[in-house]
Amino acid sequence: EAAVTQSPRNKVAVTGGKVTLSCNQTNNHNNMYWYRQDTGHGLRLIHYSYGAGSTEKGDIPDGYKASRPSQENFSLILELATPSQTSVYFCASGDARQDTQYFGPGTRLLVL
Amino acid sequence: AQSVTQPDARVTVSEGASLQLRCKYSSSVTPYLFWYVQYPRQGLQLLLKYYSGDPVVQGVNGFEAEFSKSNSSFHLRKASVHWSDSAVYFCAVSMGRIFFGDGTQLVVKP
Repeated sequence: EAAVTQSPRNKVAVTGGKVTLSCNQTNNHNNMYWYRQDTGHGLRLIHYSYGAGSTEKGDIPDGYKASRPSQENFSLILELATPSQTSVYFCASGDARQDTQYFGPGTRLLVL
Repeated sequence: AQSVTQPDARVTVSEGASLQLRCKYSSSVTPYLFWYVQYPRQGLQLLLKYYSGDPVVQGVNGFEAEFSKSNSSFHLRKASVHWSDSAVYFCAVSMGRIFFGDGTQLVVKP
């Protein structure tokens, strides 16, 4: 069974609305990450976490918040969604000791 | 500062041909190095990784990569590609945090 799951898999939102993307991992990894993937930009790091209760800003945090209520769960929150946030979002968990990351299947977000 | 460059956005090869996907990194010390693969509508999956030792590392499905300190490179190779290898391949480097290249789309022609 998949070790990193994301929900929803697809989402259509309206401009100005609130969007919450959820990620769950069963790897018992301390580190979790949120990326967005856009054509021509590869993967860009939005927020990450070293453990429950911690969130850190990545390279493109503006317009996004993150929440890590437990070891297993890491959410990405768009308080006021904009069309520029239309993208594919990936969550990953990682073993800090080995730096390998394990990715979820992605969430396709369309903001109209 | 460190970064990783994949100079080829797209590579097309015929099935059965050999393959090399290029990756160069910039770092003051040797980082951890990775190759990931992304199949359509899926997340990234680890192909192989290099931490130290033998510069040639073996991965899944017949892939291997060779680390070169003098060239600051970590090129991915496969002796004979299959149509199912068509995907996007990402090189990544890590020193405390991970940086991904922009990816190379591999198209395998029948």
